Amino acid sequence: EDQVTQSPEALRLQEGESSSLNCSYTVSGLRGLFWYRQDPGKGPEFLFTLYSAGEEKEKERLKATLTKKESFLHITAPKPEDSATYLCAVEGGSGTYKYIFGTGTRLKVLA
Amino acid sequence: NAGVTQTPKFRVLKTGQSMTLLCAQDMNHEYMYWYRQDPGMGLRLIHYSVGEGTTAKGEVPDGYNVSRLKKQNFLLGLESAAPSQTSVYFCASSPTKGRSSNQPQHFGDGTRLSIL
Repeated sequence: EDQVTQSPEALRLQEGESSSLNCSYTVSGLRGLFWYRQDPGKGPEFLFTLYSAGEEKEKERLKATLTKKESFLHITAPKPEDSATYLCAVEGGSGTYKYIFGTGTRLKVLA
Repeated sequence: NAGVTQTPKFRVLKTGQSMTLLCAQDMNHEYMYWYRQDPGMGLRLIHYSVGEGTTAKGEVPDGYNVSRLKKQNFLLGLESAAPSQTSVYFCASSPTKGRSSNQPQHFGDGTRLSIL
């Protein structure tokens, strides 16, 4: 069964304190792994797509990496505006166009 | 550039009432989806559509119906609302790339629905 597990559930960082969020997945034939950011009261906002092991994507203070079993979202020198819930989703190879979402990591960056 | 627009943003219903949630996208996307988001459960797929006139069941379809009469609109209906359907509902859409569907889904800002 396809499954996505994110850790930690919640993370508090001081401004400038770098860290990583983890997304472990089990899926038959990965077609894509997606990272989203969700602010309170808003819908998920797309950040990155990763397709194959070894791939990396960067955007400002965020960098996403992918292995055959997990993905990491590295946050370098975070700012308070990076506070949000970060969601990970995978699309498997069954061709059913379905995402399996993790439950997210709630990030709070303190000034 | 509106993207994905959901109406209404908030609604309170009594048990047994019916209602329709509307999703509209202006990106000419083929695929559209309805999810519900509950605390500790993550986003779960209710129904989806791969094109105008088509619909399919997702992970949690019971108690919901959908229609995709126009490419840009995807409607989610609750025929007889139950307290267990209290949730935040999100609509999403994605483009196609040949036969591949691994393009990112774009989400609306949700409808917060309470069933009393």
